[in-house]
This record gives sequence, structure tokens and C-alpha cells, in this order.
Amino acid sequence: LAKTTQPISMDSYEGQEVNITCSHNNIATNDYITWYQQFPSQGPRFIIQGYKTKVTNEVASLFIPADRKSSTLSLPRVSLSDTAVYYCLVGVPFYNQGGKLIFGQGTELSVKP
Amino acid sequence: DSGVTQTPKHLITATGQRVTLRCSPRSGDLSVYWYQQSLDQGLQFLIQYYNGEERAKGNILERFSAQQFPDLHSELNLSSLELGDSALYFCASSAGGAVDTQYFGPGTRLTVL
Repeated sequence: LAKTTQPISMDSYEGQEVNITCSHNNIATNDYITWYQQFPSQGPRFIIQGYKTKVTNEVASLFIPADRKSSTLSLPRVSLSDTAVYYCLVGVPFYNQGGKLIFGQGTELSVKP
Repeated sequence: DSGVTQTPKHLITATGQRVTLRCSPRSGDLSVYWYQQSLDQGLQFLIQYYNGEERAKGNILERFSAQQFPDLHSELNLSSLELGDSALYFCASSAGGAVDTQYFGPGTRLTVL
């Protein structure tokens, strides 16, 4: 299973765009890239998932270069409530080996007023 | 609200005891996953069930076992508890399709004294 590396912590201010980059050099052909957000003492919450190029939803964008060895989660105009830990995960689709997800350390994002 | 429910919310017990954690997946989801989150180990995948059958196994101790029942709810049994088993235990569920997004419950906080 591919290992992920992401910054341990990041600071930002309200209203700024935040980009969190994750490297996954050993990503396999079938792997998808998924980002989760976790607040203290709560379960992780799905943010966005992609396989290649760019994916956008109502809360974030995910940029994946052609070689897929890294990915960038982009949070537009963050607010104080975006202060959380963000996890980048690389996992296999369900029908191959089960949906096992490997969580790394995550990035602790602190948004200041 | 992810739609995944876990009971109890908190559990305090003594070393050597046995406890059962319960999880009800989102309506329609066939797959259930169990994760353990402790301060020093981060979020660790334990085991996955799909439609009643074990599908993937992570770093689950032999003292721990799980099952998924015909109504698709799942139970995680932890026995011969040790101080180090104190952690947050999360259950997640997914539909089990090709791109398998997991939705996490609020967790059960286990404290072993």
C-alpha cells in the first residue's frame, strides 16, 4: 500500500486559500486519492476523492498531476471552522482488496482570525 | 451527521475485562470498517466486513474480534483489556462500490483503568 507524506502542520488566516500537498510516490495504478477532515474527538469526514487531473466539489478542489505521485487539496477562503486535521489517503478500490485505508499523520491546519 | 451510529459513546472499564462496541451502518451500506485511534498510534485500520463476511484485516490484536450480523450492524469485541487499549474506536461504512467512500461514525471512547 502506498505511503503518504504530508506536512505535519500549517497555519493560515481567515479568507485565505490553503493548499495542502501530499506525496505518494508508490501509488499503484488502481489507487484512488481521498482526503478526510477530522475535528477533535470526532470521526473523519470525507472531503473529496479523485483519480487524476482535477476534481472540484462544493468545499474543496483536488489537483493531481499526470504522474499521480502527489496531490494537492485546495480549500478556498478558509474560516475558523476549517481548523482541523486533514488526512491524505491512498487506497485500492473496494473490489480489489477491500476498502482498506491507511491514515498517515495528517496535517494539522490552524486558521487564525 | 454521517448516518453511521455507534454505541456507547463512552466506556470506562478495568484491565482484564471484556467490552462490546456496536455500530450501525448507513442505510443501504453493506460494508463496515473498524478503526482505532490512540494518541501515539494515530488512526489504525482494524478490520472490514462486507455483507456479513470478513473482507480485509489490519493490525487487529488476537484479543479483538468482530462480526457483522444479518441486519448489517457490526460489533467489535475487545477482551482481556489492557491500559494501552484506551482509545477512540471508529466505525465506518460504505456502499462497497468501485469507488468506495467511507463514512465514519462519531466513535466510542474507551478508557481502561
